[in-house]
Amino acid sequence: AQTVTQSQPEMSVQEAETVTLSCTYDTSESDYYLFWYKQPPSRQMILVIRQEAYKQQNATENRFSVNFQKAAKSFSLKISDSQLGDAAMYFCAYRSPPSGNTPLVFGKGTRLSVIA
Amino acid sequence: DVKVTQSSRYLVKRTGEKVFLECVQDMDHENMFWYRQDPGLGLRLIYFSYDVKMKEKGDIPEGYSVSREKKERFSLILESASTNQTSMYLCASRELGRNYGYTFGSGTRLTVV
Repeated sequence: AQTVTQSQPEMSVQEAETVTLSCTYDTSESDYYLFWYKQPPSRQMILVIRQEAYKQQNATENRFSVNFQKAAKSFSLKISDSQLGDAAMYFCAYRSPPSGNTPLVFGKGTRLSVIA
Repeated sequence: DVKVTQSSRYLVKRTGEKVFLECVQDMDHENMFWYRQDPGLGLRLIYFSYDVKMKEKGDIPEGYSVSREKKERFSLILESASTNQTSMYLCASRELGRNYGYTFGSGTRLTVV
């Protein structure tokens, strides 16, 4: 079974600084999707960014970018110019195959604090 | 925008009660999911459904059942609630064939006393 590992239960960052959250996954598949979700105190899960495994180019969404290393099975999230509103739980998730009905597999999450 | 609505934000039930957690989505999505979220354990899949009247067990189905009689509604049932089922429950939906991840509800925090 596929597994997703987030090795940092908690992290903190100064406002306006950059932080990187780590995620590794275990799979024998070659085609899959990876996601980062954010869960603020409101509890609403929000999709931050996604990456298709067949794409070599790292995905970017404004201040959020990923470092996707397929051979190393690593998918880290970089948050630039951190803001107070970035404080949340962040979950890494995996899905294969990309089509069909398979559910997402989530990591255990990283709680990010932003210090003013 | 797709909306996924969970009927209760907070719920307190007694041990042994039968509990229904309701989830409704308004965009005709085929796939619906129930996850349980606990500190340090992340999100764990309880059940999912890929179409009306279809259901599949997830990683932790024990003590739970589900019902999907209509496409828009996916119910999670705790047949006899126990204190170890105190948790946050998240419902999600996804359109078949689309790869944009899930749309989540805002969660139900269930306390069993």
